[in-house]
Amino acid sequence: GENVEQHPSTLSVQEGDSAVIKCTYSDSASNYFPWYKQELGKRPQLIIDIRSNVGEKKDQRIAVTLNKTAKHFSLHITETQPEDSAVYFCAASRFMFSGGYNKLIFGAGTRLAVHP
Amino acid sequence: AAGVIQSPRHLIKEKRETATLKCYPIPRHDTVYWYQQGPGQDPQFLISFYEKMQSDKGSIPDRFSAQQFSDYHSELNMSSLELGDSALYFCASSPRLNTEAFFGQGTRLTVV
Repeated sequence: GENVEQHPSTLSVQEGDSAVIKCTYSDSASNYFPWYKQELGKRPQLIIDIRSNVGEKKDQRIAVTLNKTAKHFSLHITETQPEDSAVYFCAASRFMFSGGYNKLIFGAGTRLAVHP
Repeated sequence: AAGVIQSPRHLIKEKRETATLKCYPIPRHDTVYWYQQGPGQDPQFLISFYEKMQSDKGSIPDRFSAQQFSDYHSELNMSSLELGDSALYFCASSPRLNTEAFFGQGTRLTVV
């Protein structure tokens, strides 16, 4: 079935360092890959996303890369700050010709801790 | 800007009771998704509706049912509650042919 694997499960970095989180998806029909940041007890919030017709997307300190052949996508955070500390989830979805996008399949999450 | 509204925010129920969670999507969003998130876990897809019709079904127990009404709000009905149903329940909505799913603040259900 559809599955998204995410690594690492925990990541600890010093402020100013870079952080990289990697995901692999199983459904080759997936064509939309969002990343969510979730703080404790709060809702997941979209921080960046990428579609399958693009290999890389950047938004200030955050970038996402996609390798469709290998079915890998990664989140890169540069110049990390303590407020980046949270759980990050990758997800995969695909467009349905009957309308809209189908469910998000989430990775298991990465707990990022940025130490001052 | 209007966001996805979920009610109630917190709910405490006893085992075997029934609970109803409500979701009001962002105006003009025609797709609603329900997710269940246990402590320390990723959100698990339960069910979705597109234009008031069930569009997909995930790991939703038979004890749960959901529907989307004519005004696009959705309700998740949970019966014969079990301790393991304690979780955060998120509703998300997205507009037609668009990708981003906007999450509500969630309902924290505690079954005692």
